[in-house]
Amino acid sequence: GESVGLHLPTLSVQEGDNSIINCAYSNSASDYFIWYKQESGKGPQFIIDIRSNMDKRQGQRVTVLLNKTVKHLSLQIAATQPGDSAVYFCAETDEDSSYKLIFGSGTRLLVRP
Amino acid sequence: NAGVTQTPKFQVLKTGQSMTLQCAQDMNHEYMSWYRQDPGMGLRLIHYSVGAGITDQGEVPNGYNVSRSTTEDFPLRLLSAAPSQTSVYFCASSLDSNYGYTFGSGTRLTVV
Repeated sequence: GESVGLHLPTLSVQEGDNSIINCAYSNSASDYFIWYKQESGKGPQFIIDIRSNMDKRQGQRVTVLLNKTVKHLSLQIAATQPGDSAVYFCAETDEDSSYKLIFGSGTRLLVRP
Repeated sequence: NAGVTQTPKFQVLKTGQSMTLQCAQDMNHEYMSWYRQDPGMGLRLIHYSVGAGITDQGEVPNGYNVSRSTTEDFPLRLLSAAPSQTSVYFCASSLDSNYGYTFGSGTRLTVV
């Protein structure tokens, strides 16, 4: 079946630097992608989303890039702050229904002071 | 709005016991889902609902039942708890397929 996976389980960055978290997906029919942030002991928090008819979308300090050719998704965080330390998940819609999200295994972002 | 509310926050069960995890949302969302999250892993879909009276199975439905009698509530029932069901359970809701899901704070379940 389709799957969403991440290349790096842990990413350590210096405070103030930019962070890039990557995600590969296998279902070429997926049309909606979301990045979630999960802090310890809390539920996932929506960060940003993108539809398959877009290549890039920007939010406040975050940018999501979608490369459909190689089925790759990335989350860029500008000027990383200690509060950005968390686990980040990418998720995609299931090929059978748009209301079922399939999650990747997550990347832990550690911000060094 | 309170968002998505899950109760209880923590629960310990003995093998074979049954219980219901409660989930309620006050955002008038049609879509609701239950996920489980095991240590160091992503979220796996257990069951989902696209509206009152409509439910369907996700990736890991065995050992769980759901019902959706109202738009607001989506309880998850463990029929006969097993140690393999030790996990953190998250309920989520969404307005429709054009929006991301809003998650509750989770229920940490331990089965001994």
